[in-house]
Amino acid sequence: GAGVSQSPSNKVTEKGKDVELRCDPISGHTALYWYRQSLGQGLEFLIYFQGNSAPDKSGLPSDRFSAERTGGSVSTLTIQRTQQEDSAVYLCASSPRLAGGPKGQFFGPGTRLTVL
Amino acid sequence: GENVEQHPSTLSVQEGDSAVIKCTYSDSASNYFPWYKQELGKRPQLIIDIRSNVGEKKDQRIAVTLNKTAKHFSLHITETQPEDSAVYFCAAASGGSYIPTFGRGTSLIVHP
Repeated sequence: GAGVSQSPSNKVTEKGKDVELRCDPISGHTALYWYRQSLGQGLEFLIYFQGNSAPDKSGLPSDRFSAERTGGSVSTLTIQRTQQEDSAVYLCASSPRLAGGPKGQFFGPGTRLTVL
Repeated sequence: GENVEQHPSTLSVQEGDSAVIKCTYSDSASNYFPWYKQELGKRPQLIIDIRSNVGEKKDQRIAVTLNKTAKHFSLHITETQPEDSAVYFCAAASGGSYIPTFGRGTSLIVHP
């Protein structure tokens, strides 16, 4: 079946502009995560959605970052007034929420954001 | 919160040798430990995971061991091949939180 998809694959923007990144999770996966990965670095957690519950926004680095998840499926990560330090690969992951505790995550291909 | 330490940051081996990557965690409530492989320019992919009710799990050339008392878990790759070259991430999560905490990654280089 289809995996997690993200768009665009690459985004180049000018400092100060707003950007929107999209994630389509695997159908039926109720958990959705956004991560940021700078070049050669680890995975920085940004935000977590689970079904209709309020999202866990504890990883968002500033109030310029926000995310929505509509209808429990597609998610959009928005970065306002982009800065050069926002340049990174933004990864989305989804996971089934089943009894028995946490499950492995399925990652999308990422969006490479470059802020000039 | 949970803290996951991963070592080494870089591991270089010859083809056919074994490779071991170690992680420690701080939260005794953590009960799920996945490992991800990320090839250059690709997305992370789950390669194996273990829950706290078992001490070891194998899948062909890879295995993971868990020591709950010492709060550490390890990834073992036997008979390494050049295609095993990648960055490997460990993670820990508890039943109370579905947000895993990741280690900083280990860059494994397998020389032919």
